[in-house]
Formats: sequence, C-alpha cells, structure tokens
Amino acid sequence: DAGITQSPRHKVTETGTPVTLRCHQTENHRYMYWYRQDPGHGLRLIHYSYGVKDTDKGEVSDGYSVSRSKTEDFLLTLESATSSQTSVYFCAINSHRVGLAGGGTDTQYFGPGTRLTVL
Amino acid sequence: DAKTTQPPSMDCAEGRAANLPCNHSTISGNEYVYWYRQIHSQGPQYIIHGLKNNETNEMASLIITEDRKSSTLILPHATLRDTAVYYCIVPWENQGGKLIFGQGTELSVKP
Repeated sequence: DAGITQSPRHKVTETGTPVTLRCHQTENHRYMYWYRQDPGHGLRLIHYSYGVKDTDKGEVSDGYSVSRSKTEDFLLTLESATSSQTSVYFCAINSHRVGLAGGGTDTQYFGPGTRLTVL
Repeated sequence: DAKTTQPPSMDCAEGRAANLPCNHSTISGNEYVYWYRQIHSQGPQYIIHGLKNNETNEMASLIITEDRKSSTLILPHATLRDTAVYYCIVPWENQGGKLIFGQGTELSVKP
C-alpha cells in the first residue's frame, strides 16, 4: 500500500461547510494526487502535486483547493461543500523508476479512500 | 480522454484463465501500457505494466501485440477474489504520471 493513509475515512457534512481531507504518505514520494469517484464514472483527477508547495489542477478542480506544506501530507479542501461533491475520494502517490535507456515508468499506489456525504 | 478501449464487462469461471483485452491503437513508441484493478469499495491496485515485451509477475501476465496496438491481461487461474473492475491505461507522456481512467472492464468470476 506504499504507506498511504487517508483521514477521515468517512465524513458526513452539511452544504456550505468547509471540509478538509488529509492524505499522508511515509515513503517520501514527490508526486501526489487527489481523485474522486462517482457512480457511472471512473476515477477523475482533481488536483495533483509535484513537490512541496507545487500543485496543479486536474480535470475536475472547480470547488476544490489543495495544499502541500510538507512532502508527506497532501490536503484537499472543499471551501464550501455542495451536494455535488458527495463522492469517494482517493489519494495516490507516484513511484517513478528510471529506465536503463532513459525515460522511465510511473506506477501509482492508492490510499483506501474517504467517503464524503454532503447533505 | 482515455487512450484505450475495453469491453464493459466479462464473465469467467472460477479456476479458468481470464483474458481481458484492451485496444490502444494510438499508442506511441515510448508509451507504456499499465493495468490496474479496483475491487469494490477499495482503492485501485496496480497489477502490471509493459512496453513491448510480454511481462509476467505474481499477479498476472501481459501480452502486447507486435504492433503494440492492443494487449491482453491474463489472470491464469481466476478466483472469486479477482472479481473487480480492470483498467487498461496508457498515460500521456510528460504529464507527471497523471492517469486517465476510462470505464474499464467489470470482470465477474463465477463459481
């Protein structure tokens, strides 16, 4: 599991409240990602980070912000939660291996997920 | 958009080999094919990846056609615990390892 934990694992909140989800890793990986998963959809990338204080948007970033103040923690914040943000949220890290002829491969390892319900 | 196409669902008898196909006709020379699976309510799990040669590990085998436009993931002796959604992914190059998940193939292993 590459030492990835997510907290909380389950949360129920009300529309308009702020929510922060935490992803924690223990193996010093540079890249971290936040995805959401909804019925009828595969995983969709929300935001990702390529280092401390370096983040970028994914395909469904509206309504979300992230922060990475230290390597091991990647936080996802919903400033004002809406019912459309009810989902299962997965965090992932990327393990990069350099190939013998240059280039390399990227393998992602995922956390156990956080189930968020916004009423 | 995902660069791969997979059948939406497949069935397999327990103990038999499960062969999951994937088409990636626009793959370029340096792009790898990755397979992940997601068992219900869990995070996706990496299975295997390959470039051009066939690959095998403790979980599965990956067969890539010579023209690299398609591949097959093989679970040699499927068990009920292999019931999951299987994703075939070809990441975009130089995109920081970002993955684009399609709909995948829902494999049902039946007794």
